Amino acid sequence: DAGVIQSPRHEVTEMGQEVTLRCKPISGHDYLFWYRQTMMRGLELLIYFNNNVPIDDSGMPEDRFSAKMPNASFSTLKIQPSEPRDSAVYFCASSLKSGRPYFGPGTRLTVT
Amino acid sequence: AQSVAQPEDQVNVAEGNPLTVKCTYSVSGNPYLFWYVQYPNRGLQFLLKYITGDNLVKGSYGFEAEFNKSQTSFHLKKPSALVSDSALYFCAVRDMVKAAGNKLTFGGGTRVLVKP
Repeated sequence: DAGVIQSPRHEVTEMGQEVTLRCKPISGHDYLFWYRQTMMRGLELLIYFNNNVPIDDSGMPEDRFSAKMPNASFSTLKIQPSEPRDSAVYFCASSLKSGRPYFGPGTRLTVT
Repeated sequence: AQSVAQPEDQVNVAEGNPLTVKCTYSVSGNPYLFWYVQYPNRGLQFLLKYITGDNLVKGSYGFEAEFNKSQTSFHLKKPSALVSDSALYFCAVRDMVKAAGNKLTFGGGTRVLVKP
């Protein structure tokens, strides 16, 4: 298995632009998580899905952030408009119901 | 609400010496505990987990962790550290209470530096 796939691996954009991060979970996993890692706040859970349905989005910072999972093999995290404080590494992870999460390599986002 | 505390931002140890990384947790129900390691510019790699059973859990790369219910701790240990163990270590917990869903909460991370 290729593991959790994230794209792009690096993204540099200007403030105000829209950013879309993509994730392909491990086939057969029914949970998908989006995390954000920063020096100040560590690893934060933004949102997670079960069977493509958002279960808990209490970690999404504000309305500028949105996440979708149109099918079992694809999810997106969108930031519109982006701000410099959104600069972070964004991780996607997937798991089975009782299993441990498998993490993707992350997307390093820099907003200038 | 579930939470995890890693009281040490950094742990320094000489190569060959024992390594301990501390973790305490708080949950409503029974805990499902994890340790992950992150090398520079990499994602998180799974080391080990505890659900039930023996309090001493063995994992990857010679690491083990001891679950202590009375102290609500899950410290990570390695008998003899290697320079290559230098990395960022995260403890995480999932509350097995149904209402908590499948949410995994991470500690702030502990940077381990193993000196030759």
